[in-house]
Amino acid sequence: DGGITQSPKYLFRKEGQNVTLSCEQNLNHDAMYWYRQDPGQGLRLIYYSQIVNDFQKGDIAEGYSVSREKKESFPLTVTSAQKNPTAFYLCASGVRDRAEAFFGQGTRLTVV
Amino acid sequence: AQTVTQSQPEMSVQEAETVTLSCTYDTSESNYYLFWYKQPPSRQMILVIRQEAYKQQNATENRFSVNFQKAAKSFSLKISDSQLGDTAMYFCAFMKKNYGGSQGNLIFGKGTKLSVKP
Repeated sequence: DGGITQSPKYLFRKEGQNVTLSCEQNLNHDAMYWYRQDPGQGLRLIYYSQIVNDFQKGDIAEGYSVSREKKESFPLTVTSAQKNPTAFYLCASGVRDRAEAFFGQGTRLTVV
Repeated sequence: AQTVTQSQPEMSVQEAETVTLSCTYDTSESNYYLFWYKQPPSRQMILVIRQEAYKQQNATENRFSVNFQKAAKSFSLKISDSQLGDTAMYFCAFMKKNYGGSQGNLIFGKGTKLSVKP
């Protein structure tokens, strides 16, 4: 089945450690996105990529990094520089020239 | 910059009744899209309905319909015959229409938590 897969569903890390969240899609979408969701804050854009080997910062990119080496994959690294990394992270993908975005099931990251 | 505002943090409705969720937005763009997404307790984001700004006709999807007022920058969602499965967070979102092969980014409101009571 086509879709977006985020893994793992739950992730625990110690403070000061970097952690990478996986996002894979087999929908042949060009655009991919990472959003962060906090209670009462809605979804905020971290990074996005419109094409392989290119990506741009969103509204809250500080403390995060991404790569887009393959069309299917857009991993997000939460670095130790991110002050409040505990959150729910959602990955999405979309088709160029079409206003649609499909979301993965999310990863709940808890830093202790 | 675009902003999306949902002024109702929480709402409740009796099963089988109708409820309207409000959304206003601010933009200087003339071509854009508006969306309502549903996020049930599973936290999966599900597209409920989409409206293209240049279309005057309000979008409908079964029990879900919108009231799109472009001049007022208002985009409300009406849910008719509410069902228990409609219980969820509902997010209003804006996407600028890009040209030249790129897709715009979604800008979300903070959400409205809807509870459907039996």
